Amino acid sequence: DTAVSQTPKYLVTQMGNDKSIKCEQNLGHDTMYWYKQDSKKFLKIMFSYNNKELIINETVPNRFSPKSPDKAHLNLHINSLELGDSAVYFCASSQDLRGGNEQFFGPGTRLTVL
Amino acid sequence: AQKVTQAQTEISVVEKEDVTLDCVYETRDTTYYLFWYKQPPSGELVFLIRRNSFDEQNEISGRYSWNFQKSTSSFNFTITASQVVDSAVYFCALSEVLSGANNLFFGTGTRLTVIP
Repeated sequence: DTAVSQTPKYLVTQMGNDKSIKCEQNLGHDTMYWYKQDSKKFLKIMFSYNNKELIINETVPNRFSPKSPDKAHLNLHINSLELGDSAVYFCASSQDLRGGNEQFFGPGTRLTVL
Repeated sequence: AQKVTQAQTEISVVEKEDVTLDCVYETRDTTYYLFWYKQPPSGELVFLIRRNSFDEQNEISGRYSWNFQKSTSSFNFTITASQVVDSAVYFCALSEVLSGANNLFFGTGTRLTVIP
């Protein structure tokens, strides 16, 4: 069984569209995250959620709206997609918020905006 | 503010050579954790090691070893007798305990190519 899963794996869309990426973890973890990896491979935290509550929003444009229907899911909705949104998006989870907890990453979703 | 620097952008070695990947970090916290992750060509992120700021013991796991030195704020990673399967991008990352969020701050990665 996959610990952290993301769908879709690939997403190709036009500028201006709205799209969602889903993430689910079956580890029973309290905390989930979204990271963005740009074309230069730089990985940066976007959001962290703990028990469905937003903890950190790292200056991400408000076109990005995470939603956590329950603590096993953290979906990422992106409005009005722009070329610069093209990247690989990784979901991750950890047992809780305590610093140093290992984060388990999903396989990533490669988003291409044309 | 926290920062992780991996000065080596790309390294190429011939199979069976040893290679060291450098990582230097900055943080104001006295309690923090350091990580290494591997990202093979398939794209997933593979956890390799976690080290807390109070544990400066070096660690060895098979062909992998890590050297943590607080005095120089470095957490270097050595692969002994490299193999083609070691070809990947390697990331060093920092998590600060006092931030209360367990966010990982990544370095820019080092792309290692092992030539057969």
